[in-house]
Amino acid sequence: RKEVEQDPGPFNVPEGATVAFNCTYSNSASQSFFWYRQDCRKEPKLLMSVYSSGNEDGRFTAQLNRASQYISLLIRDSKLSDSATYLCAVIVGAGNNRKLIWGLGTSLAVNP
Amino acid sequence: ETGVTQSPTHLIKTRGQQVTLRCSSQSGHNTVSWYQQALGQGPQFIFQYYREEENGRGNFPPRFSGLQFPNYSSELNVNALELDDSALYLCASSLGGGNGNTQYFGPGTRLTVL
Repeated sequence: RKEVEQDPGPFNVPEGATVAFNCTYSNSASQSFFWYRQDCRKEPKLLMSVYSSGNEDGRFTAQLNRASQYISLLIRDSKLSDSATYLCAVIVGAGNNRKLIWGLGTSLAVNP
Repeated sequence: ETGVTQSPTHLIKTRGQQVTLRCSSQSGHNTVSWYQQALGQGPQFIFQYYREEENGRGNFPPRFSGLQFPNYSSELNVNALELDDSALYLCASSLGGGNGNTQYFGPGTRLTVL
């Protein structure tokens, strides 16, 4: 089993739709979680960190479910500009052995 | 923008050659991490430099090596290039050693090995 897994999609949704992605992780000791957005042939850009209590930033909501070992990203009222690949990243290990492990990304296409 | 810069933006090399990629970290950040991202994959951790010392390494062979300078900028060197080394190479800047802190990425260097 991969350390971090995502459904690669693609997710095709109409403008205005609500879409949700999940990302599962295998290491129960993982401490920090992130969602990044990556546009085609560009670098990943931090979208939001994921906290135990969940967090919201405008149309974006991230949640952590430790019992089931997954994080989620909800996008409300999708815009054409939300089309991108969404990568989740998880910290595994401790001390100097901590590493950021990435999923393969979930592709989202928002259609007019 | 993140303030992290990388050079060059694109590079074409042939098998067996050597390459050096450069990264300037965000002002105030003392840690640089390097990643390899092949097409359709997530970034793979190569190694991290914290205060000029290697501070963690992924599953990459020794022909992948690096440096960090006193101003915290960094280089990634790859010797004896192979076709599979073709990828986007990303550096990420953060404050503090370890990988637990938010990382900000540069625009990447796209390396093509022919």
